[in-house]
Amino acid sequence: GEDVEQSLFLSVREGDSSVINCTYTDSSSTYLYWYKQEPGAGLQLLTYIFSNMDMKQDQRLTVLLNKKDKHLSLRIADTQTGDSAIYFCAERHNQGGKLIFGQGTELSVKP
Amino acid sequence: GAGVSQSPSNKVTEKGKDVELRCDPISGHTALYWYRQRLGQGLEFLIYFQGNSAPDKSGLPSDRFSAERTGESVSTLTIQRTQQEDSAVYLCASSFGGRDQPQHFGDGTRLSIL
Repeated sequence: GEDVEQSLFLSVREGDSSVINCTYTDSSSTYLYWYKQEPGAGLQLLTYIFSNMDMKQDQRLTVLLNKKDKHLSLRIADTQTGDSAIYFCAERHNQGGKLIFGQGTELSVKP
Repeated sequence: GAGVSQSPSNKVTEKGKDVELRCDPISGHTALYWYRQRLGQGLEFLIYFQGNSAPDKSGLPSDRFSAERTGESVSTLTIQRTQQEDSAVYLCASSFGGRDQPQHFGDGTRLSIL
């Protein structure tokens, strides 16, 4: 079956690194995504990784993929108060285009 | 360079009424998706349009839900005889057609059924 799981909450201090974790079940997934949602807004694409990669870095963001364990993580370096939001992990279903989303991790950044 | 546009941004209606939600995708995007987000939850897939292919309706929760898309442009999601459990944010996304193309989301329509 298809299932994506994330922890619900993460609290960090400003300037620290944040690591948000995600596990998925569909081994045939081709792409995995991280989206950010601020209150009252839609989803903003942060980054994505193809399943044949194990790491992708984009400025303060680092994505790590462990295909064997079906584990994906998003590391935010030097976390700022503006990073406070809900972060969603999603896998792209191999048949068709739909995304399967986790429940989201609420990141709270304290000054 | 407009993004995905959805209207209305908020809709409040009485139980039993029909509602129509609209999505204008990014120009040139051949794929269009509808998702539903209940309070405090992740997104649930509803329906997917890709070019002239038959839509993937596998996520529609009941026959009260339907969606149409005119060519590669606007899409309308219709909910008939609304129920309180239909209250949610309805999000539309669009992308170019390839498998490696990420989906870009609108801000959603917040639907409240009284």
